[in-house]
Formats: sequence, structure tokens, C-alpha cells
Amino acid sequence: AQTVTQSQPEMSVQEAETVTLSCTYDTSESNYYLFWYKQPPSRQMILVIRQEAYKQQNATENRFSVNFQKAAKSFSLKISDSQLGDTAMYFCAYRLAGNKLTFGGGTRVLVKP
Amino acid sequence: NAGVTQTPKFQVLKTGQSMTLQCAQDMNHNSMYWYRQDPGMGLRLIYYSASEGTTDKGEVPNGYNVSRLNKREFSLRLESAAPSQTSVYFCASSENRVRGDTQYFGPGTRLTVL
Repeated sequence: AQTVTQSQPEMSVQEAETVTLSCTYDTSESNYYLFWYKQPPSRQMILVIRQEAYKQQNATENRFSVNFQKAAKSFSLKISDSQLGDTAMYFCAYRLAGNKLTFGGGTRVLVKP
Repeated sequence: NAGVTQTPKFQVLKTGQSMTLQCAQDMNHNSMYWYRQDPGMGLRLIYYSASEGTTDKGEVPNGYNVSRLNKREFSLRLESAAPSQTSVYFCASSENRVRGDTQYFGPGTRLTVL
């Protein structure tokens, strides 16, 4: 079974600083996709960034970037120049072909002014 | 373009009551999904529909039924609600069931079963 682990329940960061969220996963597959979703207090699930396992280049999306280490099965998210609006729960998710996303337990990020 | 919409936003049920959660998407997506999110946890898949006319069980299907009414709509039914089904329910859709397909989520329904 595939599992996704987020070891940091909560993190805080000062506005304009950088924070890195960790995620590890367990799979025997070689081709898969990884995602980071943001869930603000509104509860809406918002896609932040995604990574294709066959691509060595790390994905970036504005202030968000990932460090994908396939051999280590690690997929961390870096938020640069943190903004108050980044305060949210962040979920790492893993997807094989077809059926479902498997989510980690989440990391709560608090951006302080 | 509303994306994925869910009704109702909140619901309180008594044990044994039944109800249907509604989900609709206007993105012409083929695949739709129902997840539940319990406090402090990530989402878990209940059921999904790869395309109109098909449905499959996910990780936690017990106590639920689904109907893919047409390409736009995918409903989730609780026939006899139990307190263990207190949760936030999310509907999602994606263009296809391929690996890299991005899922788009609705705003969620908060359900409390007393």
C-alpha cells in the first residue's frame, strides 16, 4: 500500500521568510505523480504544485518550489517570501495511474506578521 | 465558470437518518471523486467515477452509495447515518483518470451525525 508521511504537524514562519515542509512517501512504482495542496481556513483544497516522477527537474510555481529526491522518496515544498495569505494546512499527495490520490496528514503553516 | 459545487454546505443528522450530498462540475470533466476529511487528517477516497456510467470503491466505501447521474453530477448517499460518518466531505473532478491529471475540489460539506 502506498503511504504518505508529513512529519511536521505545525510550522510557523515570519512574513517574507522561507519555510520548507517535508513529505516522504512509500511506493514500489517508478512512474507516479506528486502534489502539494493548500487548504486555507475556508476549507477549499487548492492545488499548489505538482511533480512528475519521471522528470528530474524540480517543479516551481512562483514562490513555491519542490525538492524532489526520487531515490529517497522525498518531496519537500519550499515557500519563499512567505505572505500572510499562505497561512493554511498543506497536504502532500501521491497518485498512481487512475484511481486515487493518497494524502499525508498535513502540516499547518502559520505566517506571522 | 463555477468549477465544482457542492450542496449543502452544512448538515446535521440524527443517527439512522439518510441524506444525499450533491456535487456538480461545469468543466466537462470525465472523472469525479468523493473524499472525506476527518479532524487532523488528510482526505480519504470514498468512491470515484472514472466516466459517466461507472463507479468504483475507494479506500473507505462502507456506509455509502454513489450515483453518477450524468457527466456533470455525482451524488453521495448515506442510507443510515452513523456518528462515525461525522466528517467534512469533498467532491472533486478531473479531466481523466490518467496519472498526472489534476483534481479540482469543491468547497466541502460539513456533516455532523448526532
